[in-house]
Amino acid sequence: NAGVTQTPKFQVLKTGQSMTLQCAQDMNHNSMYWYRQDPGMGLRLIYYSASEGTTDKGEVPNGYNVSRLNKREFSLRLESAAPSQTSVYFCASRNRDRAYEQYFGPGTRLTVT
Amino acid sequence: KQEVTQIPAALSVPEGENLVLNCSFTDSAIYNLQWFRQDPGKGLTSLLLIQSSQREQTSGRLNASLDKSSGRSTLYIAASQPGDSATYLCAVLDGGSQGNLIFGKGTKLSVKP
Repeated sequence: NAGVTQTPKFQVLKTGQSMTLQCAQDMNHNSMYWYRQDPGMGLRLIYYSASEGTTDKGEVPNGYNVSRLNKREFSLRLESAAPSQTSVYFCASRNRDRAYEQYFGPGTRLTVT
Repeated sequence: KQEVTQIPAALSVPEGENLVLNCSFTDSAIYNLQWFRQDPGKGLTSLLLIQSSQREQTSGRLNASLDKSSGRSTLYIAASQPGDSATYLCAVLDGGSQGNLIFGKGTKLSVKP
C-alpha cells in the first residue's frame, strides 16, 4: 500500500514551457486534491475532484488545468509555466470512511526560471 | 471566510519539556480538525483528527483538544524529543463533509538535545 504517490519529485522549467504533474492513490478514495505551498502563504488549494469525472476550482486555479483520469489518478497541468508558479506542489486524497481524513503525497518541487 | 491561525510561528524548547501548540479558527461551523506534521522537504503526515462532536484525541505522546465554541484547538506534546522537531500544521474541514481543508501557516518546533 503506497498511499499517495507523485512524480516527478523535482522539476526545473523555463518560462513558457509546459508540464504535467502526476498523482496516484491506491486507497480507493473518492476525493483528490492539488495544493501548492509557498513560504509565508501556507498551503493553498488549486483544484480538487470530489469524485471520478468531476473537477472544481480551488482558491488559486489560474494557470493550471487538471484531469481526473480515473479513480486512482489526478494530474495537474501547467500549460505555460511562469516564475510565479515556482512552488512545492502536493497531491492529497481523502477517506470518507475515516471522517474525511486527508492523506498527502511527498510533493513535487518545481522551479520556473 | 474561514481563517486559521497558529501561534507561535516558531518554538524552541529543551528536550523533555511538555509543550502546547495553538490553533484558532474564525468560524466554528467546522466538520473536523486535523493536525499534521511536516519534516523539511517532505509531505504532510496526519497526526490526529478530531471530529466536530469530539473534544479530544490521543496518540502516544500527542493529545489534541477541540473547543468548537471558542474556535480553538491545542496540540499537547509530552516529554518532547529531538525527533519531534518539525513544522506542525492545523487544518479545519470547512463547509460540511464535502468542503475543503483550510490550513494554518504552521508552528516550526525545534527540540534541543
